[in-house]
Amino acid sequence: AQKITQTQPGMFVQEKEAVTLDCTYDTSDQSYGLFWYKQPSSGEMIFLIYQGSYDEQNATEGRYSLNFQKARKSANLVISASQLGDSAMYFCAMRERETSYDKVIFGPGTSLSVIP
Amino acid sequence: EAQVTQNPRYLITVTGKKLTVTCSQNMNHEYMSWYRQDPGLGLRQIYYSMNVEVTDKGDVPEGYKVSRKEKRNFPLILESPSPNQTSLYFCASSLAPDRAFYGYTFGSGTRLTVV
Repeated sequence: AQKITQTQPGMFVQEKEAVTLDCTYDTSDQSYGLFWYKQPSSGEMIFLIYQGSYDEQNATEGRYSLNFQKARKSANLVISASQLGDSAMYFCAMRERETSYDKVIFGPGTSLSVIP
Repeated sequence: EAQVTQNPRYLITVTGKKLTVTCSQNMNHEYMSWYRQDPGLGLRQIYYSMNVEVTDKGDVPEGYKVSRKEKRNFPLILESPSPNQTSLYFCASSLAPDRAFYGYTFGSGTRLTVV
């Protein structure tokens, strides 16, 4: 069964510092996508970054980058130069490229608090 | 603006009173899905739909119904709500993975309380 693990229930980071949020996944499929979503206290789910299993380069989107280590099945999110507005829940998710069913698996989330 | 619209945002209801949470997307997405979010459990899939008239169960379908009569709409129906269905609900949509391998676009969420 597919599974997403986020081992850090809560994290603190000083403003302007970089922070890494961990994510490991488990799948037997070769083709899949990995995602990170941000959920601020207002509740909406905001897409941050995507990494395909066949992508050779790590994905980057502005201050977000994904440290993808396929052999270790990890997809850690790196936020550079943290801002107060980065305080939120962060969810790692995985989706398989399967056309007979649709399942996106989410991890339990990591709560990030940015300290001034 | 491309978006997924859920209504209502907040709902308090009593046990056993049927309710419907509406979801509509304007992006011509094939895939739509409902999730519930509970503390410590992340998001769990309730039902999904791969196209009109095609729906299937996710991980936690008990107590819920869905329908997909039109491509843009995917309502979630609670025929007889119970307190354990108190949760934050999200509707989401995406293109089919074989067309574009992207994640979901989420609605704003519906916070449901069943008393």
